[in-house]
Amino acid sequence: DTGVSQDPRHKITKRGQNVTFRCDPISEHNRLYWYRQTLGQGPEFLTYFQNEAQLEKSRLLSDRFSAERPKGSFSTLEIQRTEQGDSAMYLCASSMQETQYFGPGTRLLVL
Amino acid sequence: GESVGLHLPTLSVQEGDNSIINCAYSNSASDYFIWYKQESGKGPQFIIDIRSNMDKRQGQRVTVLLNKTVKHLSLQIAATQPGDSAVYFCAETSSYGKLTFGQGTILTVHP
Repeated sequence: DTGVSQDPRHKITKRGQNVTFRCDPISEHNRLYWYRQTLGQGPEFLTYFQNEAQLEKSRLLSDRFSAERPKGSFSTLEIQRTEQGDSAMYLCASSMQETQYFGPGTRLLVL
Repeated sequence: GESVGLHLPTLSVQEGDNSIINCAYSNSASDYFIWYKQESGKGPQFIIDIRSNMDKRQGQRVTVLLNKTVKHLSLQIAATQPGDSAVYFCAETSSYGKLTFGQGTILTVHP
């Protein structure tokens, strides 16, 4: 257990529904990252916060995706109008310096 | 563009053998490299890291070697155990930013 927690661990939804995932980083870490991982691939970067500021977003993050970190602590990732292609593991990581520590992930299945 | 790749997608070894997992990277600006271990259904787990001003770093049963001339990274696991069976990813980054992961190598350790 790295100290990064994610909720829920699993989510099954129907196409077109909205979903929201939560990440609680290690408490003293000011940086928080979201990644997406599909089967057989390495994680792909989605977005990154330093404190409450969203500093970078990947081109993978379409208009249907939004992430927030309102108080610089926990973060949420929302996917609107889910599509089957959104099915993946969504991973959160946090860091104080370069080393990123990952949570267990939220596995999303869109039917 | 940036890319990190692995030469061997699968590696099978006998318990007690030493394992070597290789990785090539293409971004010469990367200054920090990490090896992660990922077990089925879990998030990536930090194993060992190395900065670009080093060529070797040792941990407990693991050693990372960095050859900047040919942009090559390797992870050596001594006395491999069945619990080492997992997918291993190398990742690179610079300036506290996003990690770029390779595809991964599946390590299987036979008792």
